[in-house]
Amino acid sequence: AQSVTQLDSHVSVSEGTPVLLRCNYSSSYSPSLFWYVQHPNKGLQLLLKYTSAATLVKGINGFEAEFKKSETSFHLTKPSAHMSDAAEYFCVVSVEGGGADGLTFGKGTHLIIQP
Amino acid sequence: EPEVTQTPSHQVTQMGQEVILRCVPISNHLYFYWYRQILGQKVEFLVSFYNNEISEKSEIFDDQFSVERPDGSNFTLKIRSTKLEDSAMYFCASSTWGRENTEAFFGQGTRLTVV
Repeated sequence: AQSVTQLDSHVSVSEGTPVLLRCNYSSSYSPSLFWYVQHPNKGLQLLLKYTSAATLVKGINGFEAEFKKSETSFHLTKPSAHMSDAAEYFCVVSVEGGGADGLTFGKGTHLIIQP
Repeated sequence: EPEVTQTPSHQVTQMGQEVILRCVPISNHLYFYWYRQILGQKVEFLVSFYNNEISEKSEIFDDQFSVERPDGSNFTLKIRSTKLEDSAMYFCASSTWGRENTEAFFGQGTRLTVV
């Protein structure tokens, strides 16, 4: 069985400051890990994914995430927040080689950007 | 950029009524999925569909639910006799392949409210 815990339901940062969205996972297998973002009235968009290659993964819009097996974490970071980053972010785990029917979602973190 | 589109964006229905949620996946994709998110809860997998048949389904996907690809472009989710607890955001997704860490492309969702 696999599960995902997003440690914060809401995160608020000022524009231009760093963003940290936390995610811990559990999986019986070598996992694939994803971060998806959902802007208001939009679909879920893939930000980045980890699939057992480099542990530091770079995604779109300046986001990156580091896979730490010892900590079972996959936290999402960005050095400098922009107003357009305000959205809901989902951490997702899949079993190794699993497709989209094996995705387990976290509850989501609502990112608020203060001007 | 190709995208998955879902209609309607909002649907209100009376308890006991049948409802059909519609999705147009990306045209060259072969695998199709439905997920749902009850308010305040996690996004949950419902069903996957490939080659005109269900390939995986969760325990949520009981006899009240059915999926169909009626015309080679649409992918529909039917709920036969809606219950209050079916109120949720329903997401359709598609992918080119079902395994090997393939990215799933999600639609913007249909918010179903059962009254």
